Amino acid sequence: EPEVTQTPSHQVTQMGQEVILRCVPISNHLYFYWYRQILGQKVEFLVSFYNNEISEKSEIFDDQFSVERPDGSNFTLKIRSTKLEDSAMYFCASSFGTGKQSPLHFGNGTRLTVT
Amino acid sequence: KNQVEQSPQSLIILEGKNCTLQCNYTVSPFSNLRWYKQDTGRGPVSLTIMTFSENTKSNGRYTATLDADTKQSSLHITASQLSDSASYICVVNGQAGTALIFGKGTTLSVSS
Repeated sequence: EPEVTQTPSHQVTQMGQEVILRCVPISNHLYFYWYRQILGQKVEFLVSFYNNEISEKSEIFDDQFSVERPDGSNFTLKIRSTKLEDSAMYFCASSFGTGKQSPLHFGNGTRLTVT
Repeated sequence: KNQVEQSPQSLIILEGKNCTLQCNYTVSPFSNLRWYKQDTGRGPVSLTIMTFSENTKSNGRYTATLDADTKQSSLHITASQLSDSASYICVVNGQAGTALIFGKGTTLSVSS
């Protein structure tokens, strides 16, 4: 079965550094998402992306965050200047559509640790 | 404020037993409700998706129910297995848009 793949599985960075988290969504999916989960807390929506633009974003997704689909297969999340509170598990997801017939498929996440 | 609340927070059962997890939500307008299973260190995996017109949905040993009037859902697991040990998350799609609202999950531990 096709999978969403994320790299790296674990990223350690110093506060103030830029990080790029990478994702390869399922190939025929049209909608792409980033979610995050701070340790011990619930999964939170960051951003959704469709037709090469952001379709929706949450309050968390401020100017420090950006997303890009640089080619036909990769979907990236960039954090320009990381803060300690950015430490979390970041999940990429993709779906064919947005309705009931289109469940989100999640990757296994990138654990970001900001020191 | 749109919220999804789950109970219990954690649950321990013996292998072979049944259990029921609860979800209450205040999300409005409502599009659909989903149950996900999340193994430790892994991404969530979809179990069921229901719209407001559906009362029950099964996926193998998992059966989800939905009462859109009372804004309550449950996930019933039958004949539990050790591999059912995971976090079960209730997720609500509040509109025709894309953002999903997650509950904190119920951590289920199945012991032999």
